[in-house]
Amino acid sequence: LAKTTQPISMDSYEGQEVNITCSHNNIATNDYITWYQQFPSQGPRFIIQGYKTKVTNEVASLFIPADRKSSTLSLPRVSLSDTAVYYCLASYNTDKLIFGTGTRLQVFP
Amino acid sequence: EPEVTQTPSHQVTQMGQEVILRCVPISNHLYFYWYRQILGQKVEFLVSFYNNEISEKSEIFDDQFSVERPDGSNFTLKIRSTKLEDSAMYFCASREGYVNTEAFFGQGTRLTVV
Repeated sequence: LAKTTQPISMDSYEGQEVNITCSHNNIATNDYITWYQQFPSQGPRFIIQGYKTKVTNEVASLFIPADRKSSTLSLPRVSLSDTAVYYCLASYNTDKLIFGTGTRLQVFP
Repeated sequence: EPEVTQTPSHQVTQMGQEVILRCVPISNHLYFYWYRQILGQKVEFLVSFYNNEISEKSEIFDDQFSVERPDGSNFTLKIRSTKLEDSAMYFCASREGYVNTEAFFGQGTRLTVV
């Protein structure tokens, strides 16, 4: 399990693109990077997962540079409903997910 | 979309009482988990369960806790003698496979110990 570091909080306005960067300097060769989203009083929800380069789905994009020591979750044109805590995890072949403190994203109108 | 369901959504219990939190994982999933989240804190791993046995547990998961999959569909977490500090949101999760597969979380049970 690689330790991850991400900003404690970020603020944005509706319609803006938000990029949340996660550092995982000791990521192992077989680790994948996964991002989860959590709204208050709800369970975490999978957003996106990747190994390298770029992954895009209907919700977000994930950018992973060649050295894989960091990754960036990109949320295009955020809305108020994107206000949540976002968790970055780096792991492989493990029987548990270990959540850090995450990044609390606040979107303002 | 398939989902993990948890009951009850909220449980209030007196200190020292036993509680059982229930979860119905997604039907074809093989790996099951319990997590807890104390108000304002991070999501903490409690225990993982596979093939009808515990595969890993955290330091939090002491002798007061137990898990069971009694009937092939339900997955329960029992706390034998609740303490005030057990008050938290408890989340059940399940995964289809073992490696790099999405974990689906339930909506949680808010446990309040008074």
